[in-house]
Amino acid sequence: DGGITQSPKYLFRKEGQNVTLSCEQNLNHDAMYWYRQDPGQGLRLIYYSQIVNDFQKGDIAEGYSVSREKKESFPLTVTSAQKNPTAFYLCASSQGRLAGADNEQFFGPGTRLTVL
Amino acid sequence: RKEVEQDPGPFNVPEGATVAFNCTYSNSASQSFFWYRQDCRKEPKLLMSVYSSGNEDGRFTAQLNRASQYISLLIRDSKLSDSATYLCVAYYISNFGNEKLTFGTGTRLTIIP
Repeated sequence: DGGITQSPKYLFRKEGQNVTLSCEQNLNHDAMYWYRQDPGQGLRLIYYSQIVNDFQKGDIAEGYSVSREKKESFPLTVTSAQKNPTAFYLCASSQGRLAGADNEQFFGPGTRLTVL
Repeated sequence: RKEVEQDPGPFNVPEGATVAFNCTYSNSASQSFFWYRQDCRKEPKLLMSVYSSGNEDGRFTAQLNRASQYISLLIRDSKLSDSATYLCVAYYISNFGNEKLTFGTGTRLTIIP
């Protein structure tokens, strides 16, 4: 089955530790995205990548880093510099640019990160 | 003012009823809009896209009012399975080709048996 996988589903880390969240897609999509979702707030874009070996900062990139070495993979590292890392992290992908009726954004099941 | 605003609810509606909720947006240059459905602790899934005045898919109707800058979602003959949070999303592309999706905080709907 084609889709997006994120692992793990729940992640607990101590304050001050870096942590990497995995996102893999087998949809052959060019574009991939990372969002975080907090209670009472809409999804906010952290980073996105429209092509391998290229990525752009979103609205809240501070304290995060990404890489896009393979088309199917877009891991997100939450560094110790991120002040409020506890959140629900969602990875998404789309065929290409979002413009147009066919470029639906598909979401993975998410990783719930709790920093203790 | 938030770029995309939604009434958070919760809306508690009896099964079989019709329910509607609105979403307002502040960027008048937004080109298209989406409604996503998100079940509790799950990922959002696309429900409908709105590119012109509106869209209809079975029991669901989305309408766009550009003059007043709002999008509405109407659900007829509501089912228990419609219970979810509905996210409104505005899409904008700049003259430089920079795309942006802005998500609302969501409206929580509970259908009561």
